[in-house]
Amino acid sequence: GENVEQHPSTLSVQEGDSAVIKCTYSDSASNYFPWYKQELGKGPQLIIDIRSNVGEKKDQRIAVTLNKTAKHFSLHITETQPEDSAVYFCAAKDETYKYIFGTGTRLKVLA
Amino acid sequence: EAGVVQSPRYKIIEKKQPVAFWCNPISGHNTLYWYRQNLGQGPELLIRYENEEAVDDSQLPKDRFSAERLKGVDSTLKIQPAELGDSAVYLCASSFSSQGGDTQYFGPGTRLTVL
Repeated sequence: GENVEQHPSTLSVQEGDSAVIKCTYSDSASNYFPWYKQELGKGPQLIIDIRSNVGEKKDQRIAVTLNKTAKHFSLHITETQPEDSAVYFCAAKDETYKYIFGTGTRLKVLA
Repeated sequence: EAGVVQSPRYKIIEKKQPVAFWCNPISGHNTLYWYRQNLGQGPELLIRYENEEAVDDSQLPKDRFSAERLKGVDSTLKIQPAELGDSAVYLCASSFSSQGGDTQYFGPGTRLTVL
């Protein structure tokens, strides 16, 4: 089955700097890769996603890139703000329609 | 539009006691998921429903866990009896369809503490 690895587990950046979180997956049949932001006491919230037929997608300060050959995808947050502080999860949707999540990255944006 | 609703938000019970969680998905969403999230980990799927049918329950510990989705809308997840290791956040999510890249929306979760 699918396996998703996520790095780093924690990330601290200065406000205004960029943050990058990376994930790798094992199943080449996976075709959908969402990213979720989870704040304390809340459920994960989708912030951006990418399908396997696209290499890059951007939404304001957030972008995701996908390298199908290497089986990895990354989340890029530019001009970070304190409210970006949260736990971020990547996920891969496999051919059985199951979502496999990474272990999360705790992002701290220092003011 | 209301999001995914879960109740209760918090539950504390002693081991060997039963517990039940309730989920109301977003209106019109056919697919419903129950996940368990342990501290510091990502969500792990317990069961997925397409309408009333449980199409993936391979990771549901069936000796103590059960779930139902009557009429293809609300769902209940039950644990009986609870064990210390069941302490976790139980998340419900829904989507219009499980196929393709359909967006999955999560509820706020129920934090279960087993003493």
